[in-house]
Amino acid sequence: RKEVEQDPGPFNVPEGATVAFNCTYSNSASQSFFWYRQDCRKEPKLLMSVYSSGNEDGRFTAQLNRASQYISLLIRDSKLSDSATYLCVVNEGFSSGSARQLTFGSGTQLTVLP
Amino acid sequence: DGGITQSPKYLFRKEGQNVTLSCEQNLNHDAMYWYRQDPGQGLRLIYYSQIVNDFQKGDIAEGYSVSREKKESFPLTVTSAQKNPTAFYLCASSIGLINEQFFGPGTRLTVL
Repeated sequence: RKEVEQDPGPFNVPEGATVAFNCTYSNSASQSFFWYRQDCRKEPKLLMSVYSSGNEDGRFTAQLNRASQYISLLIRDSKLSDSATYLCVVNEGFSSGSARQLTFGSGTQLTVLP
Repeated sequence: DGGITQSPKYLFRKEGQNVTLSCEQNLNHDAMYWYRQDPGQGLRLIYYSQIVNDFQKGDIAEGYSVSREKKESFPLTVTSAQKNPTAFYLCASSIGLINEQFFGPGTRLTVL
């Protein structure tokens, strides 16, 4: 089982639509969670951190469900410029008392259509 | 202007040659990372370093080598032992292993 799993998509949605992505993780000891955005042929860029209480940044809302071990990203009123690949990122918890590094999901591709 | 830089943006090499990719950061981050990304695929971790003079193998370290002699610098050498070196190479840094990572613009390596 992969440590971080995402639906690869592609998700093709009309401009103005609301779209949601889910991501599951396997390590119940994971402590930090993020969503990144990667445009074609560019580097990934941090979109938002995900907190236990959930957090919102403009049209973007991220939520964490520790019991079911998944995080979600909701994009409201989608814009053409939201077209990108969205990467779910989770740290792998601890191993032998030491923190483990982040694991990146393979990404979900979103295309917003005019 | 703080950030992470990689050079060059595009690199071409002949098969059998070693090549070194540069990564520099002025964010005062302790941790640095190298990833490889193939077309249409996710990121795969090659090596990472938590502190100066220490580094750990990632998932696909074979055929690669790194050094961490300075906090700001984490160069990656792609050796001739790497069977399929053509890829997009991304360097990242973070305060610590569980913190968000910031990426450089990447180097596209093509081996002819």
